[in-house]
Amino acid sequence: GQQLNQSPQSMFIQEGEDVSMNCTSSSIFNTWLWYKQDPGEGPVLLIALYKAGELTSNGRLTAQFGITRKDSFLNISASIPSDVGIYFCAGQTRTGTASKLTFGTGTRLQVTL
Amino acid sequence: DSGVTQTPKHLITATGQRVTLRCSPRSGDLSVYWYQQSLDQGLQFLIQYYNGEERAKGNILERFSAQQFPDLHSELNLSSLELGDSALYFCASSAGGLQGETQYFGPGTRLLVL
Repeated sequence: GQQLNQSPQSMFIQEGEDVSMNCTSSSIFNTWLWYKQDPGEGPVLLIALYKAGELTSNGRLTAQFGITRKDSFLNISASIPSDVGIYFCAGQTRTGTASKLTFGTGTRLQVTL
Repeated sequence: DSGVTQTPKHLITATGQRVTLRCSPRSGDLSVYWYQQSLDQGLQFLIQYYNGEERAKGNILERFSAQQFPDLHSELNLSSLELGDSALYFCASSAGGLQGETQYFGPGTRLLVL
């Protein structure tokens, strides 16, 4: 099945550092979403982006919806140990009541003290 | 807590068997989605139901089927199980339609086929 290209695949950073990850697609999406998944848990929504060019923040998280609607990035500022996990981007296509998410390959983030 | 519940949390079965996974959406949500997460394929969309009717289909095998009941809970049936069906199966729900399509995920069912 299709997956979006997400990079980097993994990151090992120190507490307090800023993190940046991005996601690209060959397809256009109506909406871009960023999720975080902890081990043994389901993905949790972090940020949703609805318009091309939109820049949205949620605490230390900032995400942007690319102008071409084919890419998005997520920044995490001043990382802390609880930021550890796998981050997924997802592109959403919607037609009427039909909706579908296509997920990225994931970025595994590890934070050291 | 997303408000989406899934049972069972873990399931171990043998090849050739059939299992049923259950999902209760968030209160008021009309749409239910099923996803499969495996190491080699990542998170893959399987199927969506909206208010009891199938709305969108992804990479769902013919051996798999789903339904959404009048009380809006959903079941995913997996039959003639193969080793490769071992994965995490997630259910998600959303309000649906103009009320919004943000999907909230349940904790998942971990299926192991031996």
